Amino acid sequence: DTEVTQTPKHLVMGMTNKKSLKCEQHMGHRAMYWYKQKAKKPPELMFVYSYEKLSINESVPSRFSPECPNSSLLNLHLHALQPEDSALYLCASSQRQRQNTGELFFGEGSRLTVL
Amino acid sequence: LAKTTQPISMDSYEGQEVNITCSHNNIATNDYITWYQQFPSQGPRFIIQGYKTKVTNEVASLFIPADRKSSTLSLPRVSLSDTAVYYCLGGGATNKLIFGTGTLLAVQP
Repeated sequence: DTEVTQTPKHLVMGMTNKKSLKCEQHMGHRAMYWYKQKAKKPPELMFVYSYEKLSINESVPSRFSPECPNSSLLNLHLHALQPEDSALYLCASSQRQRQNTGELFFGEGSRLTVL
Repeated sequence: LAKTTQPISMDSYEGQEVNITCSHNNIATNDYITWYQQFPSQGPRFIIQGYKTKVTNEVASLFIPADRKSSTLSLPRVSLSDTAVYYCLGGGATNKLIFGTGTLLAVQP
């Protein structure tokens, strides 16, 4: 099994809603990532978890709250978002974080629209 | 600050060889250079990876000069289905796995 599964594929939410994005992998990878991608831009790193601990937070606003319940799961909790937060949110995993090979396995992404 | 730059777009015709370059001015000594392909509304997909000189797999070749400050992805005999955005990725000093600016390859019949 070499998949990273993200749910939901599409999410529409109001600025006062609370929602969550979910990501799951069963490749035994110990690093998991959240990226945000706006149209016609490269993926932009948000968070990195290494061995279920938050390793990197790229100065992401607190309205985005990551969670790693176990080594296979990664969540992104959303609250009080702004319309400019609308984007494709990508989850990825790799064998380890501090590796030099840079091979990431991506999910298909969750398309978020904030009204 | 690590910065990875690529041409914004390239055009090609079916059957041609396409070479896409990437400049990575702050690649760390131990970091590999990795290339990804991305179709609209999908996650990036790994294409090829290398450290130096030349690497070839079933879909592409990767050329890396001795100074490792750039790399070239070579796609032989492209088809319409190769129309996508191509990203290079260098680990950088902090191993944050930062994507390059991306190159939109448009393949025409």
